[in-house]
Amino acid sequence: KNEVEQSPQNLTAQEGEFITINCSYSVGISALHWLQQHPGGGIVSLFMLSSGKKKHGRLIATINIQEKHSSLHITASHPRDSAVYICAVWFDSNYQLIWGAGTKLIIKP
Amino acid sequence: DAGVTQSPTHLIKTRGQQVTLRCSPKSGHDTVSWYQQALGQGPQFIFQYYEEEERQRGNFPDRFSGHQFPNYSSELNVNALLLGDSALYLCASSWLGDTNTEAFFGQGTRLTVV
Repeated sequence: KNEVEQSPQNLTAQEGEFITINCSYSVGISALHWLQQHPGGGIVSLFMLSSGKKKHGRLIATINIQEKHSSLHITASHPRDSAVYICAVWFDSNYQLIWGAGTKLIIKP
Repeated sequence: DAGVTQSPTHLIKTRGQQVTLRCSPKSGHDTVSWYQQALGQGPQFIFQYYEEEERQRGNFPDRFSGHQFPNYSSELNVNALLLGDSALYLCASSWLGDTNTEAFFGQGTRLTVV
């Protein structure tokens, strides 16, 4: 069964802290997305990964294909980073994105 | 490039009515997928369109139907609306030719059924 699991489900941190959100999946994938969704808003794609590591500003995403695991890191976190972060994957056998449950991140000033 | 555009942004309908939501994909993308996201839940896959045909479908009733036009834009139609159809409807576009292509998402249409 194609599954995506995220942790933690909820995360509250102080401004400036280093944030890590994890994503694990069950079988081989074509690509993995990290997405951001603000309350009531649409979804923004942050990264798409099929191997290695990507960095954009204070955001870093890594993926370990052998371990079937990806992480999203936020350095020097800021209250505007507060959002739901979602991991979604294209499994090799599917044509659709399979979504994790999301991680609700709150950064307190 | 405007990216993925969805219309309308918000919509209120009465139970039993029919609704049509629209999506224009990112330039260069030929595949459109629709997702339903109920409040507090993750998106659920409705269906995907490619070459004007439904390519794959999630676990949604026949009341949910769609269409893709030659310019790759797409519509999602929901008939006989139920209160439970109230949700954010998201459209994502991608290029079928490369499964590693990044999917782009619209801002969504917030449908409220009263």
